[in-house]
Amino acid sequence: AQSVTQLGSHVSVSEGALVLLRCNYSSSVPPYLFWYVQYPNQGLQLLLKYTSAATLVKGINGFEAEFKKSETSFHLTKPSAHMSDAAEYFCAVRGSGGYNKLIFGAGTRLAVHP
Amino acid sequence: DAGVIQSPRHEVTEMGQEVTLRCKPISGHNSLFWYRQTMMRGLELLIYFNNNVPIDDSGMPEDRFSAKMPNASFSTLKIQPSEPRDSAVYFCASSPTQAGDRGEQFFGPGTRLTVL
Repeated sequence: AQSVTQLGSHVSVSEGALVLLRCNYSSSVPPYLFWYVQYPNQGLQLLLKYTSAATLVKGINGFEAEFKKSETSFHLTKPSAHMSDAAEYFCAVRGSGGYNKLIFGAGTRLAVHP
Repeated sequence: DAGVIQSPRHEVTEMGQEVTLRCKPISGHNSLFWYRQTMMRGLELLIYFNNNVPIDDSGMPEDRFSAKMPNASFSTLKIQPSEPRDSAVYFCASSPTQAGDRGEQFFGPGTRLTVL
């Protein structure tokens, strides 16, 4: 069965600092992995996805994530945080059985301070 | 495309009343998902459909909750009777499941439900 663990429910960084949000997954099949972002009072928006092509995936707004099979990780990074990056971030893995069911992590709330 | 459309965006009702939330998926998408999000429990999958057929409703909390998808362009989530603990943001998402797709779900803006 697939599962996702996000380490750290809250992360706080200074503007301009590196952003690192951690995600570890468990999957019995080659995984499809996703990062979604949720801004206040909005729905979830896809940041990036890994679907067995390049292990370093670039997404929107300067974010990227690296798939590491040996570590079962898919951490999200951004070299320099911006105030507008403050949001909640969800890691997800595609479930088995088709239908594109996603298994979401609990989310990490990112705060960016001046 | 307009994306996933949900209505209403906000709903305030009194305990015991019936509440109906509506969703129009992206045209051509054949999977539809209903989620509930609260501070306490986070994002929960309630039910999902494929080709208008309910596939898994194990996340539906109680018999007070029901969902239908009468056609490919419309789904409803109904709560009858509503209770204060149903207060949450309800999201609808759709996804294409044709061969070669990559599993992405597209989310609507959500309906914020408050039950007094």
